[in-house]
Amino acid sequence: EVQLVESGGGLAQPGGSLRLSCSASGLTFSRSVMHWVRQAPGKGPEYLSGILDSGETTRYADSVKGRFAISRDNSKNTLFLQMTTLRPEDTAVYYCVKGLVGVPGGFDPWGQGTLVIVSS
Amino acid sequence: QSVLTQPPSASGTPGQRVTISCSGSSSNIGSNTVTWYQQVPGTAPKLVVYDNNQRPSGVPDRFSGSQSGTSASLAISGLQSEDEADYYCAAWDDSLGGVLFGGGTKLTVL
Repeated sequence: EVQLVESGGGLAQPGGSLRLSCSASGLTFSRSVMHWVRQAPGKGPEYLSGILDSGETTRYADSVKGRFAISRDNSKNTLFLQMTTLRPEDTAVYYCVKGLVGVPGGFDPWGQGTLVIVSS
Repeated sequence: QSVLTQPPSASGTPGQRVTISCSGSSSNIGSNTVTWYQQVPGTAPKLVVYDNNQRPSGVPDRFSGSQSGTSASLAISGLQSEDEADYYCAAWDDSLGGVLFGGGTKLTVL
């Protein structure tokens, strides 16, 4: 069974930074395209970023481009999201998701999520 | 800004068939496939339909999807109480160069 477990969320001040981690098991992580999706309270999900299996190619939503950085350590089956210059509107549950092969917009499974609150 | 539009709510009684719509444009649903997610409050979204009408293993055949032009639909037949959840559509958008999610539909089983 594929399991994705996020960590690293918490309270951050506006302008601050946080680093999220996602530990993966039950899959060949080094061959998996991985993504981060967030969901603000009471809102629908929002796609943030994706990274190909080798880690050499990444993609970002305009809302986080230049502020967030996705990376991965295939030797440790771990996905990361470095978040900087945080804003109150970045407050959300952040999910680590595995991309469905050949299906843009297809994410399965999802982790349980980690809550990020940006507030002074 | 490209958007996928869903009705905010839908409802039905046990055993009924309900349909949830998702309206987009030529740059998303009109040229790419649609996925659907189910989210029970307090839990992560779960994939229930991909490639417009394909079900992942473990998803009951009561769930079915369709797509026509720039719109898509998720149908749930034989409605059960455990189907009560929020449902989201998603599709790649060629103009945006990324994935779009709909605003969600809250399904209530009366």
